Amino acid sequence: GDSVTQMEGPVTLSEEAFLTINCTYTATGYPSLFWYVQYPGEGLQLLLKATKADDKGSNKGFEATYRKETTSFHLEKGSVQVSDSAVYFCALMGTDKLIFGTGTRLQVFP
Amino acid sequence: NAGVTQTPKFQVLKTGQSMTLQCAQDMNHNSMYWYRQDPGMGLRLIYYSASEGTTDKGEVPNGYNVSRLNKREFSLRLESAAPSQTSVYFCASSEVLAGGLIGEQFFGPGTRLTVL
Repeated sequence: GDSVTQMEGPVTLSEEAFLTINCTYTATGYPSLFWYVQYPGEGLQLLLKATKADDKGSNKGFEATYRKETTSFHLEKGSVQVSDSAVYFCALMGTDKLIFGTGTRLQVFP
Repeated sequence: NAGVTQTPKFQVLKTGQSMTLQCAQDMNHNSMYWYRQDPGMGLRLIYYSASEGTTDKGEVPNGYNVSRLNKREFSLRLESAAPSQTSVYFCASSEVLAGGLIGEQFFGPGTRLTVL
């Protein structure tokens, strides 16, 4: 069945460092892909999405490109801030529901 | 526009007690979901409702029941709580796009449940 695999965390970075969080998927066809973010004590909120191959989703300085050749949707940011500390979830659109990865915790220190 | 609301925010139960978690959305979404989140396990789908009047089991339905009361409300009931049900519970809703595909999911703030 469809599935999403994310790199395990935590990812620990200094402020202004470059961020990559890897996400790969297994699916039939080319489903829409999403990144959600969960800040401490809150629910998940959509960060960005891509609906077809080669699309690039972007928001708040984060980017991810839908790569069908490598079945990947890696999250990147050029310069992280302390306020980016959160848990990041990759997800794909299934039938009736989203399928989530296990989440990657990002910790950014000043 | 409150989005997705959940009550209560926190709850402590004793083993064997029952309770109902309430969820409501004001976005006129057809689909609603209940997840639990445990450390290191990510989100696991308990039950979902693709439309008013329908409910389906997710990945971890045992020990839970749900009711889609109307289009706005989707409740989760624990009939006899167990310590293994200590978790954070999230409700979510989404619109259904053309072709039956699911759009963006909107999440509530969560209910933190402890079963002693």
